[in-house]
Amino acid sequence: SQTIHQWPATLVQPVGSPLSLECTVEGTSNPNLYWYRQAAGRGLQLLFYSVGIGQISSEVPQNLSASRPQDRQFILSSKKLLLSDSGFYLCAGTVAEGYTFGSGTRLTVV
Amino acid sequence: RKEVEQDPGPFNVPEGATVAFNCTYSNSASQSFFWYRQDCRKEPKLLMSVYSSGNEDGRFTAQLNRASQYISLLIRDSKLSDSATYLCVVNVFSGGYNKLIFGAGTRLAVHP
Repeated sequence: SQTIHQWPATLVQPVGSPLSLECTVEGTSNPNLYWYRQAAGRGLQLLFYSVGIGQISSEVPQNLSASRPQDRQFILSSKKLLLSDSGFYLCAGTVAEGYTFGSGTRLTVV
Repeated sequence: RKEVEQDPGPFNVPEGATVAFNCTYSNSASQSFFWYRQDCRKEPKLLMSVYSSGNEDGRFTAQLNRASQYISLLIRDSKLSDSATYLCVVNVFSGGYNKLIFGAGTRLAVHP
C-alpha cells in the first residue's frame, strides 16, 4: 500500500526566507503527486500536481514552485516567503483511484 | 461559484442524534465522489466513497444525485468520536489527470 511521508511537521519561518518542503512516497511506483494548501478555516486548495519526473503543473499563480527530481520525491519551494504563505501543506499521492495524504506541514510565516 | 459547496456549520448535536450534511458540486464532468473526515490539525482521511445507488457503512450513509449534482452524508446514532470536519470531495478528470476538489468542510461537534 502507498504511504506518503512529509517533513517537517511544523515550521516557523520569517518573511523573505526560503522554503523547502519534501514529500516522499513509499509502496508504489509512478504515482500522481499533488501539493495542497489549507489556510486557517478554509478548504484544501490544489497548488501543484505531477504525473512524472520533471513534470509539474501549477493550478494557481503564487509565490511557490514545485519539483519532482525522482519518481517518489516531490518538493515544494519558495525563494522568499510571504505572510500569506502560512497554512497547512499536504502532499497527496494517487495510484488508480486511491488517494493517500501525508501528515502535513504546518507553516507559519512571521 | 465554488466548485464544491458545503454548509460550514458548526453542527452541534447531542450523542445519539442523527445529522445530515449536504454538498453541491458545479462540474458536471465530475467522475467520482467521496466524503473525507479531517480531525483538528490532521490530514484528511477517506471516510467513504459515494455511489449513485447510495451506500452505507455502519452508521454512515452516503447518497449521490448526479442530475442535481448533490451529495449527502447521514450519520446515525452520533458518537463523541464523530466530532470532526467532514469534507465533500469530487474527483475531476481534466487535462489528462485526476484531481480532487475539496469543499471547505462542515464541522460537527457531538456533545454528551
